[in-house]
Amino acid sequence: GAVVSQHPSWVICKSGTSVKIECRSLDFQATTMFWYRQFPKQSLMLMATSNEGSKATYEQGVEKDKFLINHASLTLSTLTVTSAHPEDSSFYICSANSGASTDTQYFGPGTRLTVL
Amino acid sequence: DAKTTQPPSMDCAEGRAANLPCNHSTISGNEYVYWYRQIHSQGPQYIIHGLKNNETNEMASLIITEDRKSSTLILPHATLRDTAVYYCIVRVPYNQGGKLIFGQGTELSVKP
Repeated sequence: GAVVSQHPSWVICKSGTSVKIECRSLDFQATTMFWYRQFPKQSLMLMATSNEGSKATYEQGVEKDKFLINHASLTLSTLTVTSAHPEDSSFYICSANSGASTDTQYFGPGTRLTVL
Repeated sequence: DAKTTQPPSMDCAEGRAANLPCNHSTISGNEYVYWYRQIHSQGPQYIIHGLKNNETNEMASLIITEDRKSSTLILPHATLRDTAVYYCIVRVPYNQGGKLIFGQGTELSVKP
């Protein structure tokens, strides 16, 4: 299957700072990438969908000014958590879709964010 | 997108087949059935997907009932490394607006 990477795998930051998480498709071009958030003992929650070269589409209840998404190339999408607070501490996971007929989404390994 | 119902947890003996059920009684004609699994603190791993016919790959088999209202994921010889949360998801193809919306899944514990 296709490989998706994330960087960093974990990050600890102080409250009020911003954190950028990268998501890369390593062996295919991703026309669409997705960002999810997962709290402990809960399922994944879709935050937003990003298409290369256009603005992201956010799910209901997700603050677009707090979670900035950029999908500048066919292999890279970034999620920036702005002015992070302890309640933003979570496991952030991206996935990518090549847009091919097989239409399968492949997930990255996730990024653990801890806001102190 | 149609919703799915899965048992919250299941146990399976190592070496035996694990049969994970999923109900999707409101599935539409153009919705696919996808299975992913998530091992603790990792990203979900794609397992298999299907529309109408049964499917098999190197990881598992997917059996979809004729009326498509339910399906079963079969891990033929479960190992300890198959312990994970298994998610059954139905969605239309992405180019028709489909998204992967995760439910609570089934926590499978494979025991020695």
